[in-house]
Amino acid sequence: GESVGLHLPTLSVQEGDNSIINCAYSNSASDYFIWYKQESGKGPQFIIDIRSNMDKRQGQRVTVLLNKTVKHLSLQIAATQPGDSAVYFCAEMGGSWGKLQFGAGTQVVVTP
Amino acid sequence: GAGVSQSPSNKVTEKGKDVELRCDPISGHTALYWYRQRLGQGLEFLIYFQGNSAPDKSGLPSDRFSAERTGESVSTLTIQRTQQEDSAVYLCASSRETATEAFFGQGTRLTVV
Repeated sequence: GESVGLHLPTLSVQEGDNSIINCAYSNSASDYFIWYKQESGKGPQFIIDIRSNMDKRQGQRVTVLLNKTVKHLSLQIAATQPGDSAVYFCAEMGGSWGKLQFGAGTQVVVTP
Repeated sequence: GAGVSQSPSNKVTEKGKDVELRCDPISGHTALYWYRQRLGQGLEFLIYFQGNSAPDKSGLPSDRFSAERTGESVSTLTIQRTQQEDSAVYLCASSRETATEAFFGQGTRLTVV
């Protein structure tokens, strides 16, 4: 079936640098694309979402970009901090049913 | 409560036994999800409840898995005749109807020995 997947399983970033986490999706019918962050031993936490009719949305230190032409989603984190070390999941939601489907995840490791 | 509550937080069971995992969602949240997360892996969708509609059970891996939800409150996930491959963290999440922001519990870590 259609699914959401990620390019990179692990991303190492130096503190203060910008991080870019990528995600490929295959379901063009999804209404929303979402990023979640999961810290060790905790449940995932919502970061930001983007509606399918948008191509960019900014939050606090984060920007999500959506490229529907190539079915690609990315999360940019500015000035990465040690607290940003976590696994990041992209997810999609679509249709009247509104079910959240998650991708495989990227481990982000912030080095001093 | 303030968040999604899951119990027990840890469960060790013998192979072949049945287990029941509980999830208390945030009050007023009509949507409730169960996911399974194996060590170092992503979130595997199991089942989705939305209000009084029939649940989406498409993610349940076998007929040993079942889940119920009483109205818009507590949900239980039952695994019968547990197998070692059932060992994982079981996460529950709830959200307002069709909201993109789902709130997760801390999970139940199930170990089948």
